[in-house]
Amino acid sequence: EPEVTQTPSHQVTQMGQEVILRCVPISNHLYFYWYRQILGQKVEFLVSFYNNEISEKSEIFDDQFSVERPDGSNFTLKIRSTKLEDSAMYFCASSPRWTEAFFGQGTRLTVV
Amino acid sequence: GEDVEQSLFLSVREGDSSVINCTYTDSSSTYLYWYKQEPGAGLQLLTYIFSNMDMKQDQRLTVLLNKKDKHLSLRIADTQTGDSAIYFCAEQRTGAGSYQLTFGKGTKLSVIP
Repeated sequence: EPEVTQTPSHQVTQMGQEVILRCVPISNHLYFYWYRQILGQKVEFLVSFYNNEISEKSEIFDDQFSVERPDGSNFTLKIRSTKLEDSAMYFCASSPRWTEAFFGQGTRLTVV
Repeated sequence: GEDVEQSLFLSVREGDSSVINCTYTDSSSTYLYWYKQEPGAGLQLLTYIFSNMDMKQDQRLTVLLNKKDKHLSLRIADTQTGDSAIYFCAEQRTGAGSYQLTFGKGTKLSVIP
């Protein structure tokens, strides 16, 4: 069964460093998303991406964040200068249309 | 209310039915979802319901929707130990090109053998 895959499963980084979280969405899907879940809190929407551009972003998704689909298969989330409060589980998702988002297993980001 | 609300814990005996409840925020939400998260795993899409439906059944899962009360429930028949997980309710408010999901905090289902 096709699935969304994310790498790495766990990333530890020093505060102020840049990180790139990687995702391979399901191949025929057209919509791509990033969500995050801070420990003990709700899953929160960050950004959606369609037709090679951001279609929607939340207040969390500030100038420190960016997304890219560099080669038609990968979908990346970059955090330019990480802060302690960026520590969270980051989930990538994709969907064939604007419904039915399928999520990856997540990347646990720990900022120290 | 402003939040998608779920009770945090539910404990049932193996073989019984589980009912997980959720209240959502926007009566015009078009799609409502249930996701399952097992320990160390991602969010697995279990089922979803379109807002013009009252009920949807898929094998052991039954989703009931009460739009007037903005209440969604997930019933799991013949609950098994493998059903132990966190279950998230999510609403998708649509309008002006918004596709984002708004999640509840999740209900941790524990199945007692």
